[in-house]
Amino acid sequence: DIVMTQSPTSMSISVGDRVTMNCKASQNVGSNVDWYQQKTGQSPKLLIYKASNRYTGVPDRFTGSGSGTDFTFTISNMQAEDLALYYCMQSNSYPLTFGSGTKLEIK
Amino acid sequence: EVQLVESGGGLVQPGRSLKLSCAASGFTFTNYYMAWVRQAPKKGLEWVATINTSGSRTYYPDSVKGRFTISRDNAKSSLYLQMNSLKSEDTATYYCARHTRAALYVMDAWGQGASVTVSS
Repeated sequence: DIVMTQSPTSMSISVGDRVTMNCKASQNVGSNVDWYQQKTGQSPKLLIYKASNRYTGVPDRFTGSGSGTDFTFTISNMQAEDLALYYCMQSNSYPLTFGSGTKLEIK
Repeated sequence: EVQLVESGGGLVQPGRSLKLSCAASGFTFTNYYMAWVRQAPKKGLEWVATINTSGSRTYYPDSVKGRFTISRDNAKSSLYLQMNSLKSEDTATYYCARHTRAALYVMDAWGQGASVTVSS
């Protein structure tokens, strides 16, 4: 199975900050990494698919990049409503596997 | 509006069975692969199963293979997850999710989840 190692586990940030988190795949997954946001008590929501494609309706402060084994997710101007857990997922092959998540907290 | 509504969760004893349902609306159900994803309490996300549009092909991780069965009824726009030989480690919120048409493994719509607790 492909292991997705996500870092950091948590981040303390301020509104307006630039936030960057990473995901490393245990083998080459091409550009097949997606990013999901999960707010407390809610179901996950797709933000980025195939590494860098913003899903419909997702604000442009959310961006993704990377290919092969190393991927990055960035929030360019952190807003209070962006407080959440963020998960990467490899969608290259079964079994689909998720990273362990990055929790964003207010500093 | 795309809606996925899970039902059938609850408390079940180890070794017993439970069947989850997911009612889909707001899109043409027959055109989409569908999936189940679970989340144990305070833990991360784990993909559990995927089914193709006709129901002829199914996919599972080793953790549930042979115990869980995903199925669908296209006439009823409904997705199911039959869970047998349940273990305490199956305790989780189970989400029904829709795979996108353009990128089959990506999941672009999720239900609110059904809670399953496996305990004696």
